[in-house]
Amino acid sequence: RKEVEQDPGPFNVPEGATVAFNCTYSNSASQSFFWYRQDCRKEPKLLMSVYSSGNEDGRFTAQLNRASQYISLLIRDSKLSDSATYLCVVPRSGGSARQLTFGSGTQLTVLP
Amino acid sequence: GAVVSQHPSRVICKSGTSVKIECRSLDFQATTMFWYRQFPKQSLMLMATSNEGSKATYEQGVEKDKFLINHASLTLSTLTVTSAHPEDSSFYICSAGGLDEQYFGPGTRLTVT
Repeated sequence: RKEVEQDPGPFNVPEGATVAFNCTYSNSASQSFFWYRQDCRKEPKLLMSVYSSGNEDGRFTAQLNRASQYISLLIRDSKLSDSATYLCVVPRSGGSARQLTFGSGTQLTVLP
Repeated sequence: GAVVSQHPSRVICKSGTSVKIECRSLDFQATTMFWYRQFPKQSLMLMATSNEGSKATYEQGVEKDKFLINHASLTLSTLTVTSAHPEDSSFYICSAGGLDEQYFGPGTRLTVT
C-alpha cells in the first residue's frame, strides 16, 4: 500500500456544487494529517490540518477515520477560485514529523 | 505568517553546468529545512533534510554528491545541482517550519538544455 493514496481525479464540477476527495494512508501511527492546495506552477499552501476526528473551516470540512486510515476533504458551495490541485499530506513514516509525504494530488476544476 | 523565499525562481542552464538554489526563512530561524522535487504532473517528493551546522540527510535514491546541500546559517540553506542533465529539469521547492505547518518557498523551476 502506498504511504498516501488519493482519488485520481480530475474533478470537474459546476459552481455551487459540493465535492469530496478521499485519501488513504498506510502509517497507522500517524497523528497529524494535512490538506494542502497547490495552484498551477506554484508552491503548496496549507488548507487544513487534522489532528483528531476532523476539522471544519468555512466551506471546507476534513474528516479522519483512523480505523480505516482514511481522510476526506469536503468542499461545499464550490467557487471558481477553488480550482486547484488538492494534496493529501501525512508525516513520513519513520522520519521526522516535519518530513512530509505527499499524495499525488486531486485536480479540481470548478466550472462557471 | 512565516515566509520562505527561494532564489532564483527560474533558471535555464546548459547540460554539465552547476546551479545553486537558495532557500531563506525571512522572519524565523530554521535549524532544519527540507528540499523537495516535483516533476510535471507528479507530486512533491522529499529529496533531503538540511540541518544547520551538520550534514544533510538524503532520501533513498538521491545522490548526495550530485545534490549538494549547505545549511550554514539559521536562515539559509542552499541546494547545488552539480553537472546538471536534462533529466534534472524539475520544480525544486524548499520548506521550513514546525510540526503544525510547513511553509514552502515559491519554488525554482530548473530547465537543463
